[in-house]
Amino acid sequence: GENVEQHPSTLSVQEGDSAVIKCTYSDSASNYFPWYKQELGKGPQLIIDIRSNVGEKKDQRIAVTLNKTAKHFSLHITETQPEDSAVYFCAANSGYALNFGKGTSLLVTP
Amino acid sequence: EAGVVQSPRYKIIEKKQPVAFWCNPISGHNTLYWYLQNLGQGPELLIRYENEEAVDDSQLPKDRFSAERLKGVDSTLKIQPAELGDSAVYLCASSLAGTGINHEQFFGPGTRLTVL
Repeated sequence: GENVEQHPSTLSVQEGDSAVIKCTYSDSASNYFPWYKQELGKGPQLIIDIRSNVGEKKDQRIAVTLNKTAKHFSLHITETQPEDSAVYFCAANSGYALNFGKGTSLLVTP
Repeated sequence: EAGVVQSPRYKIIEKKQPVAFWCNPISGHNTLYWYLQNLGQGPELLIRYENEEAVDDSQLPKDRFSAERLKGVDSTLKIQPAELGDSAVYLCASSLAGTGINHEQFFGPGTRLTVL
């Protein structure tokens, strides 16, 4: 089945800096790649997604890039703020199922 | 618009006891998912429903876990009997249709189960 690897597992940045989280996947048929943010005690919240027909998508301070040839995709957060601190999960679909990475704990320090 | 509703939010039981979790998806969402999330891990799919039909239950431990979605709306996930290793967060999610090219999954807050 699909295997999604996510790095790093923890990331600490200073407020205003950028943060980058990277994921790789194994199923070449995957065509949907969402990113979720999970705060303590809450369910994952979709923050951005990308589909296989585009290479990049941006929404304000958040952007995602996809390289289908290399089977990797990345989340970029610019001008980080303390409220960006959370666990971020990447995922890739395998058929109708989503397979998640193990998460990246992002800490943004003032 | 109300999101995915789950109850209870927290549950503490002793091992070998039964437990049930309830989920009400976003109105109009035909597809419902139950996920298991262990501490420090990403969600793992247990079962997916399209309306009232369980179309993917390959990861559901059927010896002790069961689920139902009788009217194609809300759903119940049951564990009987619970084991210590079942302690985790159980997440419910819904989408307009099976996650393909167009349909995002929206998650509920989860039920945190502790088995003593």
